Amino acid sequence: EIVLTQSPGTLSMSPGERATLSCRASQSFNSRYLAWYQQKPGQAPRLLIYGPSTRATGIPDRFSGSGSGTDFTLTISSLEPEDFAVYYCQQYDSSPRTFGQGTTVDIK
Amino acid sequence: EIHLVESGGAFVQPGGSLRLSCGASGFDFNTYDMNWVRQAPGKGLEWVSVISGGADATDYADSVRGRFVISRDRSRNTLYLQMNILRAEDTAIYYCAKESGSRNFPMNHWGRGTLVTVSS
Repeated sequence: EIVLTQSPGTLSMSPGERATLSCRASQSFNSRYLAWYQQKPGQAPRLLIYGPSTRATGIPDRFSGSGSGTDFTLTISSLEPEDFAVYYCQQYDSSPRTFGQGTTVDIK
Repeated sequence: EIHLVESGGAFVQPGGSLRLSCGASGFDFNTYDMNWVRQAPGKGLEWVSVISGGADATDYADSVRGRFVISRDRSRNTLYLQMNILRAEDTAIYYCAKESGSRNFPMNHWGRGTLVTVSS
């Protein structure tokens, strides 16, 4: 099983700042099968980025993804008020498909 | 517009069974792989199961393998999750999610979820 470890657990930021979220895998996998999701309280997750740098439909370009092998990054270039949420990475390269434990981006 | 609507969540005793449903609309249901993902109260996301568009392939998380069965009814555009021998640790919101393709694609549409509570 590929274990995904996200860091930091919580990121306290101010609107307008740049946020960098990390997702590290216990073993290398094809980056084509890496996705990032955003979840706000009381809502279902939403696909942000996949493959690992393609934005999903309707996702603003302040969100970007990068990485390969075992190290992946989600960057939010300038935080908007609606970006404060929990972010999960997920690999769907091998079974079982696994999620990271999540990074909470909250308002400082 | 794509809609996924889960139903069937309930309060059930340990050892019991439950069947979740997910009604799909707004897309060709038979083309896309479908998943169940769950989230225990206050916890992160856990992938549960996937079924291919043609229903010829399924996969499960180790935590549910042998107890849960995923299926789909093409005529009803509905995804199911039969949950047997339920445990307290199965308590969660269960989301159905559509992949953006067939065979290893990201999940680009999600339902709002249905709550399953397993307790005595």
